[in-house]
Amino acid sequence: DAGVIQSPRHEVTEMGQEVTLRCKPISGHNSLFWYRQTMMRGLELLIYFNNNVPIDDSGMPEDRFSAKMPNASFSTLKIQPSEPRDSAVYFCASPSGGLNTGELFFGEGSRLTVL
Amino acid sequence: QQQVKQSPQSLIVQKGGIPIINCAYENTAFDYFPWYQQFPGKGPALLIAIRPDVSEKKEGRFTISFNKSAKQFSLHIMDSQPGDSATYFCAATYAGNMLTFGGGTRLMVKP
Repeated sequence: DAGVIQSPRHEVTEMGQEVTLRCKPISGHNSLFWYRQTMMRGLELLIYFNNNVPIDDSGMPEDRFSAKMPNASFSTLKIQPSEPRDSAVYFCASPSGGLNTGELFFGEGSRLTVL
Repeated sequence: QQQVKQSPQSLIVQKGGIPIINCAYENTAFDYFPWYQQFPGKGPALLIAIRPDVSEKKEGRFTISFNKSAKQFSLHIMDSQPGDSATYFCAATYAGNMLTFGGGTRLMVKP
């Protein structure tokens, strides 16, 4: 298994543009987490899917952010319109252990820069 | 509300030293406490983890000490090496895999 695959690795865009980040979780795991990492706020949980259904999206900053998991092998995080304060590294992660262990495999992240 | 507080923010030690990173939590519902290691340009990776019914856990040069009554836990790195230079995050979880991370500690081990 190649682990959690994220794309793009780097994205530079201008304010107001739509950004779509993609994630292929570890096969066989139907849970997926999206995190955002910044210097100021550290690692923040944005949204958590289980069985492809959003369970907790309380961390999604505002309506400009949306996430989908149409099937067990793909998820997207979309920002529309993007703003400079959205600049961060976005990670997705799959659980590695049982559901209640807190052990996650993270992808290598998508570094977003909004100018 | 920051539910897991981590200190120090940065730490510099000489090779062979024993860096100690401390974390404190507030929510007594937390039932699993993992530590993650992150190298530049990479995602966090699970390093070691502990449950609250255990006071200490060792894996190689890494040791977690846990004090349930004080709601504190710490990571010790024995015989630290330059390759241990990374950012370390403590975390806590409940209700499944909803991790809450500490703010991170940037460790530098000098040769």
